[in-house]
Amino acid sequence: DAEITQSPRHKITETGRQVTLACHQTWNHNNMFWYRQDLGHGLRLIHYSYGVQDTNKGEVSDGYSVSRSNTEDLPLTLESAASSQTSVYFCASIETSVVSGANVLTFGAGSRLTVL
Amino acid sequence: AQTVTQSQPEMSVQEAETVTLSCTYDTSENNYYLFWYKQPPSRQMILVIRQEAYKQQNATENRFSVNFQKAAKSFSLKISDSQLGDTAMYFCAFMKPGGATNKLIFGTGTLLAVQP
Repeated sequence: DAEITQSPRHKITETGRQVTLACHQTWNHNNMFWYRQDLGHGLRLIHYSYGVQDTNKGEVSDGYSVSRSNTEDLPLTLESAASSQTSVYFCASIETSVVSGANVLTFGAGSRLTVL
Repeated sequence: AQTVTQSQPEMSVQEAETVTLSCTYDTSENNYYLFWYKQPPSRQMILVIRQEAYKQQNATENRFSVNFQKAAKSFSLKISDSQLGDTAMYFCAFMKPGGATNKLIFGTGTLLAVQP
């Protein structure tokens, strides 16, 4: 079965370290997204990609970067981790077919990151 | 820019009772999708129900139904015969569809507790 997997599921790091969260999907979806979830803020969009070599900034992109070298993967990198980036991170993907009722976002299981 | 507002941070309901979660949104678009996602303690994001803006009929999925008021930009979720397994965080979300431009905008969530 097709799926979307995130790794690691849990990570503890120190301030200033570089951290990469992996996202791999086997749906062959063009569009992929990274969200962070914080209490009182819901899910906020960090970065997104509409295809290979395409990346875009979301509403909370400062301190984060992504790259899209193939359809399946969209790794999220924290260049220099800060305590404010302690959060739960979700990767998601969606098919970009012509507008239809079938367009539904599929989520990974989430990655909990703690920055000390 | 589109915004989604959930004004009820927490709600509680007795088992077997009915509860309604509120959601309002702001957009200048005429065609869009609205969603309710459920996030149980497992953290997995689960699609509950989806509504296409061009459809006047309210969507229904078993015990879950919506009251979609397009003119008022309101999209409430009604859960009938509440079950203990309905205890979760519920997120309302908006998406403007259309090929390579779709992305999901979330509200801040409502934490629902179903009491035995």
